[in-house]
Amino acid sequence: EAQVTQNPRYLITVTGKKLTVTCSQNMNHEYMSWYRQDPGLGLRQIYYSMNVEVTDKGDVPEGYKVSRKEKRNFPLILESPSPNQTSLYFCASTRRGSSYNSPLHFGNGTRLTVT
Amino acid sequence: GENVEQHPSTLSVQEGDSAVIKCTYSDSASNYFPWYKQELGKGPQLIIDIRSNVGEKKDQRIAVTLNKTAKHFSLHITETQPEDSAVYFCAARKEWGNNRLAFGKGNQVVVIP
Repeated sequence: EAQVTQNPRYLITVTGKKLTVTCSQNMNHEYMSWYRQDPGLGLRQIYYSMNVEVTDKGDVPEGYKVSRKEKRNFPLILESPSPNQTSLYFCASTRRGSSYNSPLHFGNGTRLTVT
Repeated sequence: GENVEQHPSTLSVQEGDSAVIKCTYSDSASNYFPWYKQELGKGPQLIIDIRSNVGEKKDQRIAVTLNKTAKHFSLHITETQPEDSAVYFCAARKEWGNNRLAFGKGNQVVVIP
């Protein structure tokens, strides 16, 4: 089954404790992206990657890091989480350069709480 | 960059009635406009999309219309059912750019049985 898998689904942590949210896709997609969803603010892009070893900032990259060492994986790293990073996070992927026949596929989300 | 606004933020409809969500965009170069549906506890999922070379597209009970001159596009859901209750996001982008979509803030649709 074609899917984007995020782990964990729920995560509660404390300020300053480094964490990684993993994302993996099995569709051989070149493009991968991370979004955060907050009430009243919709989906905001954090980082995206056009291919292996190619990453770029989205609209709200502060406080986050990403890496793309393999095509299928795109982990989101919070080196020193803060309470304002409490949010619902989504990973997504699609074929690069294609829109009409290749929708953005989303994972089921990771709900992060930073206390 | 592209700015997409979505109205209304919440919409309640009686089962069987129609629902319409409207989005406006700012970049006249945008030419791809998808709609995503997000059910509770899940990620958004594409339900319909339209390119700027057409004015309307239908898929069973859902349709999207595009007015390039006014820079707005709308999602129409007819004969609404309880399973249509969800958050709906519109988005826009240039088709052959860097795949970056600009999303609206989302619209909560509640279908009342």
